[in-house]
Amino acid sequence: KNQVEQSPQSLIILEGKNCTLQCNYTVSPFSNLRWYKQDTGRGPVSLTIMTFSENTKSNGRYTATLDADTKQSSLHITASQLSDSASYICVVSPASSNTGKLIFGQGTTLQVKP
Amino acid sequence: EAGVAQSPRYKIIEKRQSVAFWCNPISGHATLYWYQQILGQGPKLLIQFQNNGVVDDSQLPKDRFSAERLKGVDSTLKIQPAKLEDSAVYLCASSLVRRAGGPYEQYFGPGTRLTVT
Repeated sequence: KNQVEQSPQSLIILEGKNCTLQCNYTVSPFSNLRWYKQDTGRGPVSLTIMTFSENTKSNGRYTATLDADTKQSSLHITASQLSDSASYICVVSPASSNTGKLIFGQGTTLQVKP
Repeated sequence: EAGVAQSPRYKIIEKRQSVAFWCNPISGHATLYWYQQILGQGPKLLIQFQNNGVVDDSQLPKDRFSAERLKGVDSTLKIQPAKLEDSAVYLCASSLVRRAGGPYEQYFGPGTRLTVT
């Protein structure tokens, strides 16, 4: 079983609508949780980084939340744009790692249609 | 600031052939990572360097994969011989040395898409 599970696997929404992506993890304890955006043919780009003590972090129209008790995180996208079409990856950094190891989820593919 | 550079961007080879990928990290970044990303999956760490030394290569298939980091800057990842299941995107990332008590950022290159036929 993967230590970082994301849902849904894929999602199609209309431009201007909001959406929420989910991430469940079993990595414990962890030092931080990140959300990355990966456009087709490009490397991942960081959207947010939250330490274990943070509950929410925003970056423009992207808002990430973290519930360390239930080991869940979500990424909410507001007023979606066509450029939001990409894969969104949840990543957890184990506290036990002193090498900065990251554990990646499989990603959610978002398609925003006009 | 220039980003992480990788080449080539695309490569098609036949199984049992060899291939090499090159990565130039962001200037001043001591830590360099190579990831393998199979279609539909998240990246998987193959090897991590800090300066010239290997920090983690636990998931590197050492019978066919090798990597080196010359003078603590550029790095090459080699596959010899390639198998069909090596078809994937190979991502290079770099970061500053981790500061105690705080998260650090990994910056990814555009990747090299390898197709093994």
